[in-house]
Amino acid sequence: DIQMTQSPSTLSASVGDRVTITCRASQNINILLAWYQQKPGKVPKLLIYKASNLQSGVPSRFSGSGSGTEFTLTISSLQPDDFATYYCQQYKSNYNFGQGTKLEIE
Amino acid sequence: QVQLQQWGAGLLKPSETLSLTCAVYVGSFSDNTWNWIRQPPGKGLEWIAEINHSGDTSYNPSLNSRVSMSVDTSKNQFSLRLRSVTAADTGVYFCARGRRDRCWGGGCDPNYYYYYMDVWGSGTTVTVSS
Repeated sequence: DIQMTQSPSTLSASVGDRVTITCRASQNINILLAWYQQKPGKVPKLLIYKASNLQSGVPSRFSGSGSGTEFTLTISSLQPDDFATYYCQQYKSNYNFGQGTKLEIE
Repeated sequence: QVQLQQWGAGLLKPSETLSLTCAVYVGSFSDNTWNWIRQPPGKGLEWIAEINHSGDTSYNPSLNSRVSMSVDTSKNQFSLRLRSVTAADTGVYFCARGRRDRCWGGGCDPNYYYYYMDVWGSGTTVTVSS
């Protein structure tokens, strides 16, 4: 089983800030990583797939990078709508999610 | 418009069997895979199981002994059964499409398909309580 570890668990930031969330895999997953955004009581929304591919309709302020075991999700300039919980997920071997990063307003 | 529509019993007693179904109204039923994911109250996402149109399945090892999936290609539907539920199975259950993709570069094997979850159902709240 591949373990996914996100950091930080909670992140406080302000509108306009640049923020980065890190996701580490317990073994090599190449670039087979997705990022999701979830707001309270809502369905997870795909943001990024294959580590750096932006899903259609997702704003360009979101970007992903990395390969192997270390990955990042960056939001270049936080907007009010971006405060949510973010999950990474590997899909190389079955599926495993990270524990989530809650992005809060500072 | 609705792309994945899911339904099933929302209140169960311990030891009963959870049963959920998801109808697919988006894309090719045969090109993609079909998944169930759950989320306990206040916690993160957990993948449960996956099936393709041929009925080939993959299950989360932690649930493998209690879970099964089935598919009805005539209706473009797939289903989940989770036996012997306990309070720990309480949460929101989502169905999701595994979108077929190839992977070139980054060390991937281009001869394989990989599947990422791009479309999700609205979720079904399941409560297990005596």
